[in-house]
Amino acid sequence: EAEVAQSPRYKITEKSQAVAFWCDPISGHATLYWYRQILGQGPELLVQFQDESVVDDSQLPKDRFSAERLKGVDSTLKIQPAELGDSAMYLCASSLATQGTGELFFGEGSRLTVL
Amino acid sequence: AQSVTQLDSQVPVFEEAPVELRCNYSSSVSVYLFWYVQYPNQGLQLLLKYLSGSTLVESINGFEAEFNKSQTSFHLRKPSVHISDTAEYFCAVIYNAGNMLTFGGGTRLMVKP
Repeated sequence: EAEVAQSPRYKITEKSQAVAFWCDPISGHATLYWYRQILGQGPELLVQFQDESVVDDSQLPKDRFSAERLKGVDSTLKIQPAELGDSAMYLCASSLATQGTGELFFGEGSRLTVL
Repeated sequence: AQSVTQLDSQVPVFEEAPVELRCNYSSSVSVYLFWYVQYPNQGLQLLLKYLSGSTLVESINGFEAEFNKSQTSFHLRKPSVHISDTAEYFCAVIYNAGNMLTFGGGTRLMVKP
């Protein structure tokens, strides 16, 4: 069964360090999402890609976060420098559709702890 | 700002008892409604969705949810829960046929033997 792959599953880092997460969506899924899920809260969208283009990054803290999907397939989310408040689960999802009706398929997430 | 509210952060229930997980959303011209489930140490999975048509939608594992426009609700119900239903359940909404899925804060369903 096709899955969204994410790595690493767990990352512990010290504040002010750089950290990166990788996501490989389901083959053929043009739309890719990065969500942040703080413990006890629902996921919040950080950035959405359609192929290699950013569709929505209005909630991405651009002073320290960056995301890219250079070839329209896999994607990397980077945080530099990491802050204590960045501790969260970072979820990647992909879908076939861009407008509303499509199902999102989520990876297992990357849990970040910033010390 | 448009939001999704899940009033219950935790719902403990005994096995074979009925359960209702509540979800309310901000009133809007049009909404698409979803319930996602997250089992321990797994990613989120779509449980069921309402896009149009019948206001009552069902999942393959016995859950159902009803779109109530006047109450701006999309509560999730199951008449008899199993231990294996223990998970976190998230209500999510797409407003006005946009492309952004807004999630509620989640409800942890804990089924006890």
